[in-house]
Amino acid sequence: NAGVTQTPKFQVLKTGQSMTLQCAQDMNHEYMSWYRQDPGMGLRLIHYSVGAGITDQGEVPNGYNVSRSTTEDFPLRLLSAAPSQTSVYFCASSSATSGGPGNGYEQYFGPGTRLTVT
Amino acid sequence: SQQGEEDPQALSIQEGENATMNCSYKTSINNLQWYRQNSGRGLVHLILIRSNEREKHSGRLRVTLDTSKKSSSLLITASRAADTASYFCATDGGNNRLAFGKGNQVVVIP
Repeated sequence: NAGVTQTPKFQVLKTGQSMTLQCAQDMNHEYMSWYRQDPGMGLRLIHYSVGAGITDQGEVPNGYNVSRSTTEDFPLRLLSAAPSQTSVYFCASSSATSGGPGNGYEQYFGPGTRLTVT
Repeated sequence: SQQGEEDPQALSIQEGENATMNCSYKTSINNLQWYRQNSGRGLVHLILIRSNEREKHSGRLRVTLDTSKKSSSLLITASRAADTASYFCATDGGNNRLAFGKGNQVVVIP
């Protein structure tokens, strides 16, 4: 299994440009999510999906769109890039959508996309 | 919102020593997880402890959870140079949405 893959690894955008960060997993996981990681801030949840056709907002969704047409893919779209979106973006997947009381499932992370907006 | 908060944030130890990191959180949780991140790489899951568990072991890792104090600790015994990384705690409130702390940078000196 390739696990969680992300493309591209690096990207430089100009302010106002749009682009899509790709994420795919081959583990048949229902749950997928996008995080951004900024220095000193840890990881913050942008959007997540509990299955094909179902997405929801996380902590910092503004400026980003997602869709989930298949179980495998979960692309993240930047609509109009801003310097504040300079960050490292991680996609993750998990085998469960809800752990329920006392349960829980580990998340598998991709290698990340380093995005710079000038 | 940021849930987990690790303490201390940077730790430098000699190879063979133990490393202890703490994490506190504010709201009730379903489980708490620890992840490792090597420089420039994605996060790797280390261990998950459920809200009804108090201690868990995995190899050289020992995690404790005190729900009354809303805190957890991660102990790495007999550290190795390969343990040099950032360590994050993450809390799951029950819907699989993880809230991460800011991370703990650990440097193990050979």
